[in-house]
Amino acid sequence: NAGVMQNPRHLVRRRGQEARLRCSPMKGHSHVYWYRQLPEEGLKFMVYLQKENIIDESGMPKERFSAEFPKEGPSILRIQQVVRGDSAAYFCASSDDRNNQPQHFGDGTRLSIL
Amino acid sequence: DAKTTQPNSMESNEEEPVHLPCNHSTISGTDYIHWYRQLPSQGPEYVIHGLTSNVNNRMASLAIAEDRKSSTLILHRATLRDAAVYYCILRSPGNQFYFGTGTSLTVIP
Repeated sequence: NAGVMQNPRHLVRRRGQEARLRCSPMKGHSHVYWYRQLPEEGLKFMVYLQKENIIDESGMPKERFSAEFPKEGPSILRIQQVVRGDSAAYFCASSDDRNNQPQHFGDGTRLSIL
Repeated sequence: DAKTTQPNSMESNEEEPVHLPCNHSTISGTDYIHWYRQLPSQGPEYVIHGLTSNVNNRMASLAIAEDRKSSTLILHRATLRDAAVYYCILRSPGNQFYFGTGTSLTVIP
């Protein structure tokens, strides 16, 4: 039973380019969460999605960031026109439909902006 | 979102028990207490969670105060592989987790 899969593990972009981060949840999970972690800090919640719906995006920056979780395929976190401050580790987690069940995390994508 | 307070760091000798404290004085009646840990260069790993009663699993035990304003994660015999940052998190309705800075546990051989 594969865990949460994130790719790529490392991504390098130049300022102004777009970054696309992918997350395949655990089999049977329909809830996906994205977090960002800056060096030496804890994870910060960004967005919570269910299939085809954004449930809570209160942690998403207002501009340049978007997320989707289509009916088929992985969840995508997209960052347009990246800036140096976007350099961070981005983690995806998934859970099943039951409330208060644990979230299972992937090993993250480390984004570096040149 | 209800906040938690944890010590920045703790040390333990290998094969000794470890008690990691967490204060959450503003917890609401529906908040579950979750513990995760994060090893370097990895995503957080679920450890244990509970609501009111103490909980045990193969990894650890969770002791919850009667008033629920604090809890303690207990590792019964620390190993070198337990060295990690431990996060105590309250889960608010709607499934969002809010991570603090956690406790960095060092295990001394």
